[in-house]
Amino acid sequence: GQQLNQSPQSMFIQEGEDVSMNCTSSSIFNTWLWYKQDPGEGPVLLIALYKAGELTSNGRLTAQFGITRKDSFLNISASIPSDVGIYFCAGRVVGSNYKLTFGKGTLLTVNP
Amino acid sequence: GAGVSQTPSNKVTEKGKYVELRCDPISGHTALYWYRQSLGQGPEFLIYFQGTGAADDSGLPNDRFFAVRPEGSVSTLKIQRTERGDSAVYLCASSPGEDYGYTFGSGTRLTVV
Repeated sequence: GQQLNQSPQSMFIQEGEDVSMNCTSSSIFNTWLWYKQDPGEGPVLLIALYKAGELTSNGRLTAQFGITRKDSFLNISASIPSDVGIYFCAGRVVGSNYKLTFGKGTLLTVNP
Repeated sequence: GAGVSQTPSNKVTEKGKYVELRCDPISGHTALYWYRQSLGQGPEFLIYFQGTGAADDSGLPNDRFFAVRPEGSVSTLKIQRTERGDSAVYLCASSPGEDYGYTFGSGTRLTVV
């Protein structure tokens, strides 16, 4: 099946630092999505990307859809304690309009 | 409703028992999805409904798993003869249609003892 490699697995940073995480795929994707999951909750959509090269921001978050359509990154600027959680990338393979393949997640810890 | 509602939030059952997990999607969302999330992993696709019909059930692990959506809104995921390996968080999501980002519920944490 499809595989998404998400890195890093975990990050420990100080409040105020910038963070970057990325995902790569063995297949071409037509959509990239970034989700955040808090303990005991379902994933919450942060940013959706639909075109190769697309760069989209949502507040302190910025994500890009890679030109090769096989990768995406998420940046968080000026981190704050409530950024703590697990961040997942997810994508739709070309030919599938509905099924999402998820990465294994990046656990972010922010020290105040 | 305002969000995707899943009940129960937690379910502990004995090996071999039958369980039902319920999902109430956002009103008007025609697409409904079930995913399973094991500890330390991302969610994995189980089944997709468009309206009342299961458009893709290729992610169901075996024939002990079955899901229905008889009226095109609420869905029930049914697991027969539960096994310890079925323990996971079962997530439901809905969307206005294909090509949209999903809205997930909080999940049902199933523990088979």
